[in-house]
Amino acid sequence: SQQGEEDPQALSIQEGENATMNCSYKTSINNLQWYRQNSGRGLVHLILIRSNEREKHSGRLRVTLDTSKKSSSLLITASRAADTASYFCAPRPGGGADGLTFGKGTHLIIQP
Amino acid sequence: DTGVSQDPRHKITKRGQNVTFRCDPISEHNRLYWYRQTLGQGPEFLTYFQNEAQLEKSRLLSDRFSAERPKGSFSTLEIQRTEQGDSAMYLCASSLASDGGINEKLFFGSGTQLSVL
Repeated sequence: SQQGEEDPQALSIQEGENATMNCSYKTSINNLQWYRQNSGRGLVHLILIRSNEREKHSGRLRVTLDTSKKSSSLLITASRAADTASYFCAPRPGGGADGLTFGKGTHLIIQP
Repeated sequence: DTGVSQDPRHKITKRGQNVTFRCDPISEHNRLYWYRQTLGQGPEFLTYFQNEAQLEKSRLLSDRFSAERPKGSFSTLEIQRTEQGDSAMYLCASSLASDGGINEKLFFGSGTQLSVL
C-alpha cells in the first residue's frame, strides 16, 4: 500500500474563493483518488483520476495529476460553507491488490 | 438505505472489556475494509476482505484485534481486553472490485466511535 501526503495540513479561505490542496506520493500508481470527510462522518469518494489522465473535472472540482512529479492537486472553485471538511488523497499502486491508505488530509475551513 | 451501515454508532466501555462492532456493506460489494481514525489524523488501514477471505492485515493490528466476514456479507471487528489507546473512530468501507481492484472506489459507513474509560 502507498500513502499520499496532503499539503497544506490546514487551509482557511473566504466563501466564494477557490481552494487548492496538493498531494504527493512516492511510487508509480494506477490511479489516484480524492475523498472528503465531514466532521464525525465517513469519507465520501469525490473523484478518481487514472495515471494516463492529466486533468479531470467534476462540477466545481478540478483534479490534476503529474506522474513525473508524483503529485496531484484538487481545486475547489467558488467555495461554499458546505465545503468545510477534511480532504484526503489515496494513490492506488499498480495491481489493485492492496487496500487504499490515507494520509493526514487537508482540513479546509470556509469562512462565511 | 442502501449504503454501508455500522453498528453501534457509539460505544463506551471500560478498560479490559471486549467489544464487537458490526458492518453491513452495500449488498453487491465484494470487498470490505476496516479503518481506525483518531482525532486530526487520517484513516489508518486495519484489514480488508475479498468476499470471505481476509487478504491483508496491517502490521499495526495487534493480536487483540480480530475481524471476520463469515459469509462474505457483513463483517465484525472484535477488540479484546480494550485499552485506552483503542479509543478511536472505527470506519468500515466496501467496494466492488470488478477489475482486480484497480479502479475500485470505497464507500464508507459513518463509523463506530469507541471510548475506552
